[in-house]
Amino acid sequence: LAKTTQPPSMEAYEGQEVNVSCSHTNIATSEYIYWYRQVPHQGPQFIIQGYKDYVVNEVASLFISADRKLSTLSLPWVSLRDAAVYYCIVTSNTDKVVFGTGTRLQVSP
Amino acid sequence: DTTVKQNPRYKLARVGKPVNLICSQTMNHDTMYWYQKKPNQAPKLLLFYYDKILNREADTFEKFQSSRPNNSFCSLYIGSAGLEYSAMYLCASSRGTANTGQLYFGEGSKLTVL
Repeated sequence: LAKTTQPPSMEAYEGQEVNVSCSHTNIATSEYIYWYRQVPHQGPQFIIQGYKDYVVNEVASLFISADRKLSTLSLPWVSLRDAAVYYCIVTSNTDKVVFGTGTRLQVSP
Repeated sequence: DTTVKQNPRYKLARVGKPVNLICSQTMNHDTMYWYQKKPNQAPKLLLFYYDKILNREADTFEKFQSSRPNNSFCSLYIGSAGLEYSAMYLCASSRGTANTGQLYFGEGSKLTVL
């Protein structure tokens, strides 16, 4: 079973900042948080990972609450190409990655 | 090269016929996975290989077979396809056992069973 809860869908306009939340209330100390996105007809693509606090890369930012039960993926200046399903995953070193239902982001011009 | 390659990209099969899907990666990753993705559903883990050890999910145990003849290749085999097997099959790989949340996915093999 997936260990995360996300809103099923979100809508945004091009140029907006989008924040996708993920709840993982039972996250273990050994677990990390990963975000992926999947566009139609392609496999999921890794975006960012984190353990605590704040992580940023060239694509996105990841904010993790102090108790690690909530994380937020922040996408600055979304474009039409960012329309995808965004998956939040928590996992440790057990070699098993389970996807939840994700958040479908729609971007309008 | 961080790509995972899958063949074929599209496969049409008749009910009751076997299906073999192939995946390869050149990143020397220890673990290779197969997921099944149906429209509007999350990718579902079917099985994975860590090195030569195969782990199959309990609810798919008898439906899918797999082999990994070497580190780079992994196949997914369906002995007798049913209509319910129509889906996108995604192969992925990851390095080692630590921090394995970062998976590299192929573009998928879309299977249509008629």
